[in-house]
Amino acid sequence: DTEVTQTPKHLVMGMTNKKSLKCEQHMGHRAMYWYKQKAKKPPELMFVYSYEKLSINESVPSRFSPECPNSSLLNLHLHALQPEDSALYLCASSQEGVGETQYFGPGTRLLVL
Amino acid sequence: GQNIDQPTEMTATEGAIVQINCTYQTSGFNGLFWYQQHAGEAPTFLSYNVLDGLEEKGRFSSFLSRSKGYSYLLLKELQMKDSASYLCAAPYGNNRLAFGKGNQVVVIP
Repeated sequence: DTEVTQTPKHLVMGMTNKKSLKCEQHMGHRAMYWYKQKAKKPPELMFVYSYEKLSINESVPSRFSPECPNSSLLNLHLHALQPEDSALYLCASSQEGVGETQYFGPGTRLLVL
Repeated sequence: GQNIDQPTEMTATEGAIVQINCTYQTSGFNGLFWYQQHAGEAPTFLSYNVLDGLEEKGRFSSFLSRSKGYSYLLLKELQMKDSASYLCAAPYGNNRLAFGKGNQVVVIP
């Protein structure tokens, strides 16, 4: 089973709202990722958690706040977003290490009004 | 730094064969991935090459030449459902993937 699940599938929020994106995997992967993807562009890495600790933050604005409650779950808390943050947000997981295959969830399509 | 280069778009006819090229320049080499991504959906893993040569998986094959910094994905017997973006990606550092811009393949009847 190589499934990563994400909720919600779609999200519309105002600039003053607080919302959270959720991601789950049961493959025993110890690395989990958040990516942002704009139309016709490749995914851009935002955060990496390795063994439930934040290992990479690609200078993401603080209005995005990641959380890894346990080895299977990853959240992305959103607050005071801007319209330019509208994008597809992808979660992925992999075994830890270089060259390990990353498996992506279906994504959350976010629209900020 | 990492540099991954792919052509941006190609059109091919149903039943045909299409080759999608990728050239890369990376500091160190840790293999090369190919992903398929349908519009609005997640990238799905197609192949991973770490040794030179051709690896075949059904209608899809992937080729790697480490000395030339070059890979290609070969899609045979094209079907309409193969219309998608094909992403070439090179792993580097800890858990990082450098993606190419993706090659949009449009399959026409």
